[in-house]
Amino acid sequence: SQTIHQWPATLVQPVGSPLSLECTVEGTSNPNLYWYRQAAGRGLQLLFYSVGIGQISSEVPQNLSASRPQDRQFILSSKKLLLSDSGFYLCAWSVSGDEQFFGPGTRLTVL
Amino acid sequence: GENVEQHPSTLSVQEGDSAVIKCTYSDSASNYFPWYKQELGKRPQLIIDIRSNVGEKKDQRIAVTLNKTAKHFSLHITETQPEDSAVYFCAASSGQGGKLIFGQGTELSVKP
Repeated sequence: SQTIHQWPATLVQPVGSPLSLECTVEGTSNPNLYWYRQAAGRGLQLLFYSVGIGQISSEVPQNLSASRPQDRQFILSSKKLLLSDSGFYLCAWSVSGDEQFFGPGTRLTVL
Repeated sequence: GENVEQHPSTLSVQEGDSAVIKCTYSDSASNYFPWYKQELGKRPQLIIDIRSNVGEKKDQRIAVTLNKTAKHFSLHITETQPEDSAVYFCAASSGQGGKLIFGQGTELSVKP
């Protein structure tokens, strides 16, 4: 069966520091991968999605970037974090292009 | 682009009553409509979905209806239980890369 992992589970970072969040999927090949951000417990906002290695589509202009170096690995990065980057970051995968399944998330606090 | 509106933002019901959450979407090309349940501090979990070629789908105590003409869809929970308490999200997708656009969520509270 398919499994999705995210790490770290929680992270506290100072403003201006870099960020790297990782997501990996097991048990499937060539999934679509997604990064969402959820602020204040509501409203999932799509940040990036990828339909294949090296293929990244950005949905919202921001100081974040994403990369997909391997088929089942998706990375969210920032060179300099802002206070507004705090939130719950969720990775999701899909094979059919419809049903999406979420990872456990990373709770990021920027101080 | 697609926009999804969800109502109400909060809903409180007595155990055993029914709960209805409604969503409207703007893009007539959208053809896939999932519903997610998110408990506090946890990931969203897919509970039911519907595609544009059907008008209604049921799974035990939950059902979803879709009106393509009016561009709205609804989640119905019957015989609510305290464990149904959570935030529920609707979403819509037009299939392009599988992008889901989410509503703002409904916080459902079921009082015993």
